[in-house]
Amino acid sequence: DAGITQSPRYKITETGRQVTLMCHQTWSHSYMFWYRQDLGHGLRLIYYSAAADITDKGEVPDGYVVSRSKTENFPLTLESATRSQTSVYFCASEGDTQYFGPGTRLTVL
Amino acid sequence: DQQVKQNSPSLSVQEGRISILNCDYTNSMFDYFLWYKKYPAEGPTFLISISSIKDKNEDGRFTVFLNKSAKHLSLHIVPSQPGDSAVYFCAASAYTGNQFYFGTGTSLTVIP
Repeated sequence: DAGITQSPRYKITETGRQVTLMCHQTWSHSYMFWYRQDLGHGLRLIYYSAAADITDKGEVPDGYVVSRSKTENFPLTLESATRSQTSVYFCASEGDTQYFGPGTRLTVL
Repeated sequence: DQQVKQNSPSLSVQEGRISILNCDYTNSMFDYFLWYKKYPAEGPTFLISISSIKDKNEDGRFTVFLNKSAKHLSLHIVPSQPGDSAVYFCAASAYTGNQFYFGTGTSLTVIP
């Protein structure tokens, strides 16, 4: 099915662990984005990518790492998870507008 | 600092009446504005947009108004339906970049 998918949908981890959230899109869109959604803050941009091997920081990049070796995939890694990174994470890709995945709810204990 | 603000966290409206959701922005470089709708446990979905060369854009029951001098936009839903109950985010971007800046969202409840 065409679209944008995220995995896992739910994740519980512990402080200090490394976690990778996956994002896959089938449209071959050049631009992809990672956001986090928190109460009182709306959606905030973490990182974005203009193409394979081109990434750039957004508004809240600290504590996160991204890579983009293939156009269709844009994984987000929390190298050492902290409780403040408990959030809902959305991946998006841009065609005529930004299309969002279903989200990953991450809990860091 | 929040560049896009939605000052009403929630709004309740009777079915069939008009829903008006408001959004303010501070960055004068913003020239493209969007509204997204979000249901629980789903990602946001695009609803309607407007560029700064217009002051109104209509799509069925949804109309977005832009007042550039006031740095204000609003989304009107007429008539409101129970299926419109969702969280609505406004977003803005500048021509020079691809970043969208989102507001904090307004939770709309349409009462049957």
